[in-house]
Amino acid sequence: QVQLVQSGAEVKKPGASVRVSCKAAGYPFTNFYLHWVRQAPGQGLEWLGLINPGGGISPTYAPRFQSRISMTTDTSTSTVYMELSSLTSADTAVYFCARVGSYSKFDHWGQGSLVTVSS
Amino acid sequence: DIQMTQSPSSLSASVGDRVSITCRASQNILIYLNWYQQKAGEAPKLLIYAASTLESGVPSRFSASGSGTDFILTISSLQPEDLATYYCQQTSTTPHTFGQGTKLEI
Repeated sequence: QVQLVQSGAEVKKPGASVRVSCKAAGYPFTNFYLHWVRQAPGQGLEWLGLINPGGGISPTYAPRFQSRISMTTDTSTSTVYMELSSLTSADTAVYFCARVGSYSKFDHWGQGSLVTVSS
Repeated sequence: DIQMTQSPSSLSASVGDRVSITCRASQNILIYLNWYQQKAGEAPKLLIYAASTLESGVPSRFSASGSGTDFILTISSLQPEDLATYYCQQTSTTPHTFGQGTKLEI
């Protein structure tokens, strides 16, 4: 079955960077886009960006994160990575990856990775 | 960015009730609208895609309709396990914005 397994919790200091991984299994990795969404404590869902593991086009990022976010793919391990830099306390959140299938439906989600930014 | 506005922000209902949640987009998104259910401590779960298509495995008490800017999610007969927060999301253009959520209390 489709599985998206994310890396574990991280604690970072303000100004640092964090990299979260999302390992896919159970489907053809390069056939589906992967998106990243985050959720601050007690808050709603915020879309961060998308990447096409099959390549051919550059990742697309939400404008407010454009200058400090990067998404990459390692097809040899069926893993996508999301790196966020210049962290502040406002970046404390659970970060989710999600597979997007036909009709732009976010049909499978990772379990989430908690990133805590604290001095 | 397209703004997605849900109402109400919270809703209290009883088992067996029929409940509806509305979602309004700030511009025409055709039928590029998904609905998700999120229970505490879990990842969101897809309920509805393309505005009105029930995802496989989702109970038939969930239904949705709408197009353009106005959308509705309906639960026909509320069950205890429906306690959750519900989100709409537009996938018409990036960024794929979400509504602020509707917390359903039973």
